Amino acid sequence: QVQLQESGPGLVKPSETLSLTCTVSGGSVSSSVHYWGWIRQSPGKQLEWIESISYVGGTYYNPSLKSRVTISVDTSNNQFSLRLTSVTAADTAVYYCVRGRGLLGKLYFDYWGQGTLVTVSS
Amino acid sequence: ETVLTQSPGTLSLSPGERATLSCRASQSITRNYLAWYQQKPGQAPRLLIHGSSNRATGIPDRFSGSGSGTDFTLTISRLEPEDFALYYCQEYGTSLGTFGPGTKVEIK
Repeated sequence: QVQLQESGPGLVKPSETLSLTCTVSGGSVSSSVHYWGWIRQSPGKQLEWIESISYVGGTYYNPSLKSRVTISVDTSNNQFSLRLTSVTAADTAVYYCVRGRGLLGKLYFDYWGQGTLVTVSS
Repeated sequence: ETVLTQSPGTLSLSPGERATLSCRASQSITRNYLAWYQQKPGQAPRLLIHGSSNRATGIPDRFSGSGSGTDFTLTISRLEPEDFALYYCQEYGTSLGTFGPGTKVEIK
């Protein structure tokens, strides 16, 4: 059974960088058939895909966030990470790490972490 | 960008009744790449359906998906108490993977 667990600070100051890590168990971030990524859910409940990466298939970003986000994979620890720079209150959300399936970045998401609330506030 | 509209916003039904949820896209979805998710309070979304009509692993057969092009439907044949939740559709025919705003299925 694949399990994903987010970790990172729950409070980030405006203009600073949000960093989260997802630890994967029961699966491998080196998989050639899966993508790994991040989705966030605003307080109003809208879901927004942020970015996805495949160890062999490339990286995909939401154009609205592309200039501020980075995703990376750490195969030695079976983890992947999100960095979101220059955060504002609009980035306050529950952040989920996810496993994606599909082709060329066109993905649906079959496993989700439990989610972690990140609040942007001074 | 494909915009998804879900209707109704809220569906009030009793256990045992049939639920029909609609998801309409602003443009045709490539290869019917449309997924449905269920979310309960305090939990992450759970994949129900992908490819418009393919049930995900472990999903009961009372959940079914249909549709093509711009109009898609999630049907729950007989509502169980655990089915009262929020439901989202998601298109993945583009790399944006846009989600709809959701339909809440509540107990009448």
